[in-house]
Amino acid sequence: SAVISQKPSRDICQRGTSLTIQCQVDSQVTMMFWYRQQPGQSLTLIATANQGSEATYESGFVIDKFPISRPNLTFSTLTVSNMSPEDSSIYLCSVVLVGTEAFFGQGTRLTVV
Amino acid sequence: QKEVEQNSGPLSVPEGAIASLNCTYSDRGSQSFFWYRQYSGKSPELIMFIYSNGDKEDGRFTAQLNKASQYVSLLIRDSQPSDSATYLCAVDTTSGTYKYIFGTGTRLKVLA
Repeated sequence: SAVISQKPSRDICQRGTSLTIQCQVDSQVTMMFWYRQQPGQSLTLIATANQGSEATYESGFVIDKFPISRPNLTFSTLTVSNMSPEDSSIYLCSVVLVGTEAFFGQGTRLTVV
Repeated sequence: QKEVEQNSGPLSVPEGAIASLNCTYSDRGSQSFFWYRQYSGKSPELIMFIYSNGDKEDGRFTAQLNKASQYVSLLIRDSQPSDSATYLCAVDTTSGTYKYIFGTGTRLKVLA
């Protein structure tokens, strides 16, 4: 496995503002993803973070709302833009290492007030 | 729409018993299947994965896959109170993409 550091672990934000979440991995990563887990629900894939190019978004998620960067193999950021209370969720970074399955970071618990 | 279904529970079993968690999936072309354990307030932790029909054992855990029935299960032998958590079934419907579809999870309670 690997050490996956996700920051911040939690935040309370005002509606209309933006929050950037960081994910750093200490090993060579083949793939990185961002998931959302809304209260009481399961995980939903937001997008695949592609190194050096635009992320690939799943149905229902758009770049203007969830811009993602991945400047190198081991680091990615997810921004939640123009937040509303409906964006209150846990946001999770997921990584696939060479020859392994997908592992998750500790998550960022976001509350929008 | 590709779906993964789980009974939300809670499933309550006494300590030392076998806990049986079930999952069905809709996409017949799915190739890879995963079980994650999620403690309250924590992130999911991978505990088992299975690719081929049949059983796969790892310690107290056994994953069972039946692709014809589109069914995957997780057995936990000698259940402990520390096994109390939500168990998420995940399916990689397009082999090798690692884009998992998750079920809603089954909450397991192991009673001491």
